[in-house]
Amino acid sequence: EDQVTQSPEALRLQEGESSSLNCSYTVSGLRGLFWYRQDPGKGPEFLFTLYSAGEEKEKERLKATLTKKESFLHITAPKPEDSATYLCAVEIYGNKLVFGAGTILRVKS
Amino acid sequence: NAGVTQTPKFQVLKTGQSMTLQCAQDMNHNSMYWYRQDPGMGLRLIYYSASEGTTDKGEVPNGYNVSRLNKREFSLRLESAAPSQTSVYFCASSEVWGGEKLFFGSGTQLSVL
Repeated sequence: EDQVTQSPEALRLQEGESSSLNCSYTVSGLRGLFWYRQDPGKGPEFLFTLYSAGEEKEKERLKATLTKKESFLHITAPKPEDSATYLCAVEIYGNKLVFGAGTILRVKS
Repeated sequence: NAGVTQTPKFQVLKTGQSMTLQCAQDMNHNSMYWYRQDPGMGLRLIYYSASEGTTDKGEVPNGYNVSRLNKREFSLRLESAAPSQTSVYFCASSEVWGGEKLFFGSGTQLSVL
């Protein structure tokens, strides 16, 4: 069965305290992995696409990386405005897309 | 640009009632989707329309129907609502089918009593 697991479920950081979120997957055939950000009461917003192991993408304080089994979303020197739920999704050959349950990030000033 | 517009934002139904959730996008996207989001379970695909004129079942289609009215509009209908359908519903669109660059609406909070 295709599975996507995100950890931790929730993460509290102090402003400036760097950390990483994990997305591990067990799927039959990975076509791509995507990261989204979701603010409370809103729909998810696209952040990154990763297609192959070793690939990295960056945007401001966020960097996403991909291995054959998992992806990490690294947050460097986070600010309170980075607080959100971060979702990863895996696209599988055969027109299937599986989302993880998300990591709730809270950054305190 | 409005992006993806969903209506209504909130709805309370009694068991057995029917309703239609409306979705429209103004980005000329080919693919549209309906997801539901439940605590601890992530987004689950209900139905999708890869292109105008086509619709397909997703992961959790039971109890729902969809209509791709035209390229802009994709509606979701609950024929006989059940408490298990209490959830937050999101419509999304993308230029091509897949997980990249999905644009989501702001969601509909549905409670079925």
